[in-house]
Amino acid sequence: DTGVSQDPRHKITKRGQNVTFRCDPISEHNRLYWYRQTLGQGPEFLTYFQNEAQLEKSRLLSDRFSAERPKGSFSTLEIQRTEQGDSAMYLCASSLVEGPYNEQFFGPGTRLTVL
Amino acid sequence: AQSVTQLGSHVSVSEGALVLLRCNYSSSVPPYLFWYVQYPNQGLQLLLKYTSAATLVKGINGFEAEFKKSETSFHLTKPSAHMSDAAEYFCAVSTRGAQKLVFGQGTRLTINP
Repeated sequence: DTGVSQDPRHKITKRGQNVTFRCDPISEHNRLYWYRQTLGQGPEFLTYFQNEAQLEKSRLLSDRFSAERPKGSFSTLEIQRTEQGDSAMYLCASSLVEGPYNEQFFGPGTRLTVL
Repeated sequence: AQSVTQLGSHVSVSEGALVLLRCNYSSSVPPYLFWYVQYPNQGLQLLLKYTSAATLVKGINGFEAEFKKSETSFHLTKPSAHMSDAAEYFCAVSTRGAQKLVFGQGTRLTINP
């Protein structure tokens, strides 16, 4: 299977700790997105990359959040000094720029629980 | 800016009955519209998309949706529900040149035997 993969699938951490998530997109896709989904809500956009360049960040992405895509392939999302409000599912998606619309393929997500 | 409203956070139908999940959108420019399905503890899977071609769009698993510009709607239907259709469904909007998807809050579909 060559879909989007995310690691880990689940992460439990204590408040104040740092966590890092990884996303591997579909291999030929040049765009990569991060979304956050809280319980009972739809996903909310956090940021996206085209190749290695981070081109847009949501206001939801506070200073404690940082994302990278160093070689234009996999991406990492780090949350520093986690808070209970960071508990959510973090979804990664990728797409290929080949037309006017933007069909995104999603990974299984990383569920973060902050105690 | 775009937005999506899904009417009904929970919908329950009997197996074999019609499924109708409602989605209304707001967009100042022609939209691209998507329906995604999410099973428990999984990511989102694309069911179907409208990208300004045919207004009646057919997707996977027997689902279809009709784009109605005058009503700013993109409701999802399936003629006969199956137990395996039980999941969370999300409507999303994007536009030409936009990068992010804007999602509705989701509708949880329950199928009764």
